[in-house]
Amino acid sequence: DGGITQSPKYLFRKEGQNVTLSCEQNLNHDAMYWYRQDPGQGLRLIYYSQIVNDFQKGDIAEGYSVSREKKESFPLTVTSAQKNPTAFYLCASSSWESNQPQHFGDGTRLSIL
Amino acid sequence: AQKITQTQPGMFVQEKEAVTLDCTYDTSDPSYGLFWYKQPSSGEMIFLIYQGSYDQQNATEGRYSLNFQKARKSANLVISASQLGDSAMYFCAMRELINAGGTSYGKLTFGQGTILTVHP
Repeated sequence: DGGITQSPKYLFRKEGQNVTLSCEQNLNHDAMYWYRQDPGQGLRLIYYSQIVNDFQKGDIAEGYSVSREKKESFPLTVTSAQKNPTAFYLCASSSWESNQPQHFGDGTRLSIL
Repeated sequence: AQKITQTQPGMFVQEKEAVTLDCTYDTSDPSYGLFWYKQPSSGEMIFLIYQGSYDQQNATEGRYSLNFQKARKSANLVISASQLGDSAMYFCAMRELINAGGTSYGKLTFGQGTILTVHP
């Protein structure tokens, strides 16, 4: 089955620690995205990538970093510079056609210890 | 200014009845797309329906239809014959072409969502 796999489902971060959230897709999509969702809120774009080895900042990129070494993979690192990392993180991918939706993974819930 | 506005934080509907979830948007771009997603309590985002700005007819997908009023910049989701499983958060989103870093990409902006509760 084609889809997007995010891991882990739950993640805990200690003070001063960097943590990395995994996102893998087998939909052969060129574009991939990371969103942050706070309780009761909509999604906000952190980073996006249109092709391998290229990515751009979204609306709330501070304290986060990404890499796109393979088409299938777009990991997100939440650095110690992100002072309020507790949130639900969603990864998505899409093709280039404008009428095609973004497909989402099941998300990772990140909490501070 | 909000790009996407969902004015109903919560809505209630009786099972088997229809419900309309409101969405208004703001853009000066003539080419854009509107999407509705459903987010159950488990957290995954489920695509429901799409409307392009140049589409002449309102989109329909099974029990979902989109009441697209371009002049009013509204794209309301209509769910007919509500089911208990329809209880979830619903998000309206708009896709615009954004130029950044010398390239363009389709950016999706989400509204704040509406929590729908279906009563038996």
